[in-house]
Amino acid sequence: KQEVTQIPAALSVPEGENLVLNCSFTDSAIYNLQWFRQDPGKGLTSLLLIQSSQREQTSGRLNASLDKSSGRSTLYIAASQPGDSATYLCAVFDYKLSFGAGTTVTVRA
Amino acid sequence: EAEVAQSPRYKITEKSQAVAFWCDPISGHATLYWYRQILGQGPELLVQFQDESVVDDSQLPKDRFSAERLKGVDSTLKIQPAELGDSAMYLCASSLARDRSGGYTFGSGTRLTVV
Repeated sequence: KQEVTQIPAALSVPEGENLVLNCSFTDSAIYNLQWFRQDPGKGLTSLLLIQSSQREQTSGRLNASLDKSSGRSTLYIAASQPGDSATYLCAVFDYKLSFGAGTTVTVRA
Repeated sequence: EAEVAQSPRYKITEKSQAVAFWCDPISGHATLYWYRQILGQGPELLVQFQDESVVDDSQLPKDRFSAERLKGVDSTLKIQPAELGDSAMYLCASSLARDRSGGYTFGSGTRLTVV
């Protein structure tokens, strides 16, 4: 059974600092990995999708890397802003989408 | 931008009552998923449809939960009877790709509170 772990569970940083969010998974036989953002009480918004053949994906201030062989992905958010405050979820797709519990980020103005 | 529609957004129901949630995926998306997310945890898959067929319902508590997607478009998830432990966010998602290369698009969810 695929297990997805996200560390840390919570993170608080001052505005302008770079964010580093970690995701690890136990079974490397995945098709893709997706990072989502979730605001309190809301649904999930897709941020980045990385195929298993790719090493990284970038969108604006967001960059996600994937090391499938070691079962790790990292989401980098550059120059954080208060609007980046949310929970960030990592999900891997093998035969179904399995989620980590998320990292809750607070960016202090 | 195309969205996955869900209703209602919020639902409060008494224990032992029946409750139903509706989801309309993005047009053309053959794969539809229902997830349950307990506060502070990641979403967990309840059921997956490919067109109108159930592909995976191994985590669906079938004694009280049922799901259908009769014409392969919109879907309904039902709970009867509801229990206190069913309080959670119920999320619907859809995916276009049949070759497992595509990403998922999620709806805004239905927040269920059982009292």
